[in-house]
Amino acid sequence: DAKTTQPPSMDCAEGRAANLPCNHSTISGNEYVYWYRQIHSQGPQYIIHGLKNNETNEMASLIITEDRKSSTLILPHATLRDTAVYYCIVRLEGEDNFNKFYFGSGTKLNVKP
Amino acid sequence: KAGVTQTPRYLIKTRGQQVTLSCSPISGHRSVSWYQQTPGQGLQFLFEYFSETQRNKGNFPGRFSGRQFSNSRSEMNVSTLELGDSALYLCASSQRLAGGPYNEQFFGPGTRLTVL
Repeated sequence: DAKTTQPPSMDCAEGRAANLPCNHSTISGNEYVYWYRQIHSQGPQYIIHGLKNNETNEMASLIITEDRKSSTLILPHATLRDTAVYYCIVRLEGEDNFNKFYFGSGTKLNVKP
Repeated sequence: KAGVTQTPRYLIKTRGQQVTLSCSPISGHRSVSWYQQTPGQGLQFLFEYFSETQRNKGNFPGRFSGRQFSNSRSEMNVSTLELGDSALYLCASSQRLAGGPYNEQFFGPGTRLTVL
């Protein structure tokens, strides 16, 4: 049960913002949204997470809708090195579950020159 | 701080053999989770160990097992290998602080297992 739906692929021009959507319509009140990315067969890399409010760090911004049923990861100035598979994950509640990630299929982001 | 390390990085086995993979978490991290990644099934959770105890388990047959040592290093074992066990096996470590979801999981580079 991935609990998330993402488009299989997206293209983005280098230097432009990449906006990656994620649908998580069955999210529960205390479940966090996490984003990871995986660059060609390397281990997934943490990007950002959020609960209700929008979040920003040095890598990206996360916009979560008011009803929390969807979110968007924004890479403000995509570079070729951002080409990767991006996974949106709903982190389950309960101490025994919160490290049990369901990765789903993710979105393959292709950043083009 | 050194990252999560996994050994070996590549492994070739034949059907029916068994294999042991090792994961050393980031210093201070007490939780280690294991995942299997295949082209067909994607990334799937195998199990998590915390303080030498299995805390959670994914939907895998009993041929897949693991353990964690007192220094938080973890091993996973696959017995009676099948062709379908060919995959990238990833481990992730986290601090697993009580009461907080803020402790993200850090993944290692993985072990690529090929079963012939």
